[in-house]
Amino acid sequence: DAGVTQSPTHLIKTRGQQVTLRCSPKSGHDTVSWYQQALGQGPQFIFQYYEEEERQRGNFPDRFSGHQFPNYSSELNVNALLLGDSALYLCASSSGPRNTEAFFGQGTRLTVV
Amino acid sequence: AQSVAQPEDQVNVAEGNPLTVKCTYSVSGNPYLFWYVQYPNRGLQFLLKYITGDNLVKGSYGFEAEFNKSQTSFHLKKPSALVSDSALYFCAVRDGSYNFNKFYFGSGTKLNVKP
Repeated sequence: DAGVTQSPTHLIKTRGQQVTLRCSPKSGHDTVSWYQQALGQGPQFIFQYYEEEERQRGNFPDRFSGHQFPNYSSELNVNALLLGDSALYLCASSSGPRNTEAFFGQGTRLTVV
Repeated sequence: AQSVAQPEDQVNVAEGNPLTVKCTYSVSGNPYLFWYVQYPNRGLQFLLKYITGDNLVKGSYGFEAEFNKSQTSFHLKKPSALVSDSALYFCAVRDGSYNFNKFYFGSGTKLNVKP
């Protein structure tokens, strides 16, 4: 049984560009949350998707957007990249938005130059 | 407002000795508390959680944590450390009053276990 899978594992982008990160949840999970982990810090909540809708959002600008597909997979899009967007982006999945059993993927390391 | 504090950036312990990684939290509602471990270039792995019930929670790999409501703490402990326990440990809190998972993480504590 595959766990949470994220792609790509590493990515280098130029300031001002746009990026799309992908997440496939653990089998049987229907809820996906995204977190940003800057170097030396703990993960920070970006948003959560359930039933193909954004349900909750953290303190991130509108440049950060997402999508959830009917198969429960999700994308995180970041527009107009800034150097400060360089971070490890983690996806977590759960069975329902309230279920405390959240499983994390290995993350996508984004570097903005 | 919800927040988590991990006051130690790094904890050093000799193999075989007991270890403690400290965590204090602030939450307006019912605290749901978690510990995760992160190995280099990996995601977060779940260790244990406190939702309700016994204040002493046992988790994976011999770890345990004690919930102390009066001190708003949830310290991670292990009776005998292994070199393989060396990793980055994160404490997280979620407000149980809300119907969604939004975790607030601490800044992490690097555990170094020396042979």
